[in-house]
Amino acid sequence: DQQVKQNSPSLSVQEGRISILNCDYTNSMFDYFLWYKKYPAEGPTFLISISSIKDKNEDGRFTVFLNKSAKHLSLHIVPSQPGDSAVYFCAADYKLSFGAGTTVTVRA
Amino acid sequence: NAGVTQTPKFQVLKTGQSMTLQCAQDMNHEYMSWYRQDPGMGLRLIHYSVGAGITDQGEVPNGYNVSRSTTEDFPLRLLSAAPSQTSVYFCASSRAGGGTYNSPLHFGNGTRLTVT
Repeated sequence: DQQVKQNSPSLSVQEGRISILNCDYTNSMFDYFLWYKKYPAEGPTFLISISSIKDKNEDGRFTVFLNKSAKHLSLHIVPSQPGDSAVYFCAADYKLSFGAGTTVTVRA
Repeated sequence: NAGVTQTPKFQVLKTGQSMTLQCAQDMNHEYMSWYRQDPGMGLRLIHYSVGAGITDQGEVPNGYNVSRSTTEDFPLRLLSAAPSQTSVYFCASSRAGGGTYNSPLHFGNGTRLTVT
């Protein structure tokens, strides 16, 4: 049973607009969360992370929000750019439980 | 700077055949792991290692063996391939801590395996 779930398999957004990717988890003991980005025929690469003691972490255009009471985190990309078109995975904790991924397409 | 190198990139096996997927990293990382990626399932952990001589099972270990004789190498062995093992396999490494928020995983580019 997946402990980390990304319920939206795909997202299409216009260039310059905000992309919001969502992730839900079931284990309240998770200590940290990470987002990875994956292009076709390549391995995932680390994007941004957040510790469970924080509710927000920002790195340039990317911001991750954590709502522990709802067991929910989200990744905001502002503004979205064509190079952001990729699959995004959220992952949690040691041994890293990964979600199924969300494919983001940024339209010109 | 090669990072994590996986070979081969593609492989086709017949049911019952065995093979080894190779993984090497040149970053002196203590932690290494193998994942498989299947549609709608995300990345699932097969086996991992926290250092040379130490391995442990992940979420989906059945049908796979690993060993870690050196820090650099972490091969994944399929003992008797089955069609259910058709997948994309990723090797990953990190500094000690197994992919924590301040020591994220570095992935190879994957091996696409088809078992007929």
